[in-house]
Amino acid sequence: ETGVTQSPTHLIKTRGQQVTLRCSSQSGHNTVSWYQQALGQGPQFIFQYYREEENGRGNFPPRFSGLQFPNYSSELNVNALELDDSALYLCASSLGLADTQYFGPGTRLTVL
Amino acid sequence: QKEVEQNSGPLSVPEGAIASLNCTYSDRGSQSFFWYRQYSGKSPELIMFIYSNGDKEDGRFTAQLNKASQYVSLLIRDSQPSDSATYLCAVNKGGGFKTIFGAGTRLFVKA
Repeated sequence: ETGVTQSPTHLIKTRGQQVTLRCSSQSGHNTVSWYQQALGQGPQFIFQYYREEENGRGNFPPRFSGLQFPNYSSELNVNALELDDSALYLCASSLGLADTQYFGPGTRLTVL
Repeated sequence: QKEVEQNSGPLSVPEGAIASLNCTYSDRGSQSFFWYRQYSGKSPELIMFIYSNGDKEDGRFTAQLNKASQYVSLLIRDSQPSDSATYLCAVNKGGGFKTIFGAGTRLFVKA
């Protein structure tokens, strides 16, 4: 059984640029959630995808957008990057909407 | 009031002692409760989940849930230096609602 994978591991961007982060869910999992974790804080919910549809969104602006593909992998896109977007971005997959979530290794994004 | 609150710590315990980590939540409709461990620079790793009032044991870990008091805790028996990490409490209302995480409690186990 393959766990949750994310790419890239690290990324450095400058303000105003756009970034795409990728996540492959654990085998058999149809739900993917994305979180932002700033230093010293808990993960903050960005949004969740269930069977290719967005199912819930946290308090993040529209420049944070996502997709889920038929194989249940997912992308997080962030436009017009700001310095405060620097964080660890975590993807978590689960068997269903309220099931236990398993995290990928994360992508460390630095915005300069 | 934060939706999920944890003491940020650090909580320092000697090796072999019991570490007690606490978490309170504000939404009485919450149904699922999770404890994750996160080492510095790494992603959260699931330790335990609990749905019903009472205790749930798994090896050295015991999760305790009291829905009336809106309180969930994690006990770590025979603490080891390798248990030193940040412990995240997470709560879900079910029905497709988002999972809310606390800010975490840092635990140091002294050898």
